[in-house]
Amino acid sequence: GENVEQHPSTLSVQEGDSAVIKCTYSDSASNYFPWYKQELGKGPQLIIDIRSNVGEKKDQRIAVTLNKTAKHFSLHITETQPEDSAVYFCAASRGRSNTGKLIFGQGTTLQVKP
Amino acid sequence: DAGVIQSPRHEVTEMGQEVTLRCKPISGHNSLFWYRQTMMRGLELLIYFNNNVPIDDSGMPEDRFSAKMPNASFSTLKIQPSEPRDSAVYFCASRLRRVGHGYTFGSGTRLTVV
Repeated sequence: GENVEQHPSTLSVQEGDSAVIKCTYSDSASNYFPWYKQELGKGPQLIIDIRSNVGEKKDQRIAVTLNKTAKHFSLHITETQPEDSAVYFCAASRGRSNTGKLIFGQGTTLQVKP
Repeated sequence: DAGVIQSPRHEVTEMGQEVTLRCKPISGHNSLFWYRQTMMRGLELLIYFNNNVPIDDSGMPEDRFSAKMPNASFSTLKIQPSEPRDSAVYFCASRLRRVGHGYTFGSGTRLTVV
């Protein structure tokens, strides 16, 4: 069945450094790959997404890259700040117009040390 | 826009009791999802609806779980009878089934079954 693997499970960086989180997916028909940020006591919040016809997308300090051949995608956060500390989830779905269900990775707890 | 509204925020109940979780999706969204989050299993999709119709309930763990969506603005997830292993955070999410529209999650209901 569909599966999304996410690494690492925890990541600690110094403020100002970069952070990279990687995910692999099993369903070759997956075509939509969002990333969510979850802060304590809150629901996951979409921060960036990418579709299978795009290799890279940037939004200020965050970027996502996609390698469809290898079936993996990554989240890059540059110039990390303490407020970036949270749990990050990758996800994948298939289907026309992104109508398929999202399958989530296990999450990465990012700690940014001041 | 008030976002996805879930109630209650916290629920503590005794084993064997019936529990009903409620969700009001964002107005105009036509897909609704129920997820369960635990430390061990991460975010698991339980069931989702398109246009109020259940599409995939393969994630519902047992017959003790049921979900309804009587209209476009309301959904319930019911557990009867509840068991301690049902303790988790339950999230509802909604989306507009069109390209470029991601999920919006509610703040979740933390369920504790004692």
